[in-house]
Amino acid sequence: EPEVTQTPSHQVTQMGQEVILRCVPISNHLYFYWYRQILGQKVEFLVSFYNNEISEKSEIFDDQFSVERPDGSNFTLKIRSTKLEDSAMYFCASSLIELETQYFGPGTRLLVL
Amino acid sequence: AQTVTQSQPEMSVQEAETVTLSCTYDTSENNYYLFWYKQPPSRQMILVIRQEAYKQQNATENRFSVNFQKAAKSFSLKISDSQLGDTAMYFCAFIGNNNDMRFGAGTRLTVKP
Repeated sequence: EPEVTQTPSHQVTQMGQEVILRCVPISNHLYFYWYRQILGQKVEFLVSFYNNEISEKSEIFDDQFSVERPDGSNFTLKIRSTKLEDSAMYFCASSLIELETQYFGPGTRLLVL
Repeated sequence: AQTVTQSQPEMSVQEAETVTLSCTYDTSENNYYLFWYKQPPSRQMILVIRQEAYKQQNATENRFSVNFQKAAKSFSLKISDSQLGDTAMYFCAFIGNNNDMRFGAGTRLTVKP
């Protein structure tokens, strides 16, 4: 069964450093998403991406964040200058069409020191 | 804005018994989707069940079923014949017209042997 994959599974970085989180969505899916979950809190929407551009973003997704689909398979989330409060689990998800079931990857646990 | 409320932070059930997790939501939209996701200790988000708002029939997936009350904006999850492997956080989620998934705060379910 096809699944969403994410790398790395864990990343530790120093405050102020740039990080890139990588995701490979399910191959025939057209919509891609990033969510984050701060430890002990609810899952929060960051951004959705379709047709090589952002379709929706939340107030969390400020200028420090960017997304890209550099090739036909990868979907990345970049945090330019990490802050302590960026420490969280980051989930990538994909769906075949809009307003459909989103399938989640296993997540990347980011720790900013 | 859509909100999702899970009023039970924690629940427990004896193995083989039945448990119901509550979820209410607030929206002015008529067409939307509702989901229950399970998050075990590995923190992966696993789809349990989904319901389209335009369908009156309650969704079922093996031991999992929902009680969808559209007028009351209620979407509860019933787990029958609970198993130890059902121990996890359960998140209720909503997708409306803007395609960003909104999650509830979660219910931590413990299945006791």
